Amino acid sequence: DAGITQSPRHKVTETGTPVTLRCHQTENHRYMYWYRQDPGHGLRLIHYSYGVKDTDKGEVSDGYSVSRSKTEDFLLTLESATSSQTSVYFCAISESGREGGEQFFGPGTRLTVL
Amino acid sequence: SQQGEEDPQALSIQEGENATMNCSYKTSINNLQWYRQNSGRGLVHLILIRSNEREKHSGRLRVTLDTSKKSSSLLITASRAADTASYFCATDVPAAGNKLTFGGGTRVLVKP
Repeated sequence: DAGITQSPRHKVTETGTPVTLRCHQTENHRYMYWYRQDPGHGLRLIHYSYGVKDTDKGEVSDGYSVSRSKTEDFLLTLESATSSQTSVYFCAISESGREGGEQFFGPGTRLTVL
Repeated sequence: SQQGEEDPQALSIQEGENATMNCSYKTSINNLQWYRQNSGRGLVHLILIRSNEREKHSGRLRVTLDTSKKSSSLLITASRAADTASYFCATDVPAAGNKLTFGGGTRVLVKP
């Protein structure tokens, strides 16, 4: 998976608890992304980062925050998890510049919010 | 609504047959990409076609792009059981800041 790891790989939590998912890369790519994948919706972008401490919202950012203090780590936080955030979360990286190029995906984190 | 939408949603073929799936999108693009996802795994990039290209090949994959119709097709020739996966198109839109928008995917089952 192109030097990308996600942790944890599986998590079960309860409604209202905070959850942090970690994406770690060893490729030194500038761009990092968090997606969620749900049946019938394909992949939807939550947040992305275009550099250390530079982040922006994606299509479905409500209820999520991110941080990137180092090139290699991109954290996704659910401040207060809800059942609607049960999903599979994928991190991706890209080194492309102005024009979007291929993205490399991590193995995913399956999150269940009870 | 999604920028890219694949058709059909599911496809079942015999090993050795060709598989064709289509992607339609709504706005102008820089490029269009195809990804494969095996069950329970992350997506893997297959091929990228730029807006000024009409056809591209990679091994048993052939991608076409028709910007006038805002559509693309992915052809897998001589399919194998290992091609069983979901296939997604993704579009890169000008001024979108290096973000991709994915379609809902086509599930392909190749029967041995």
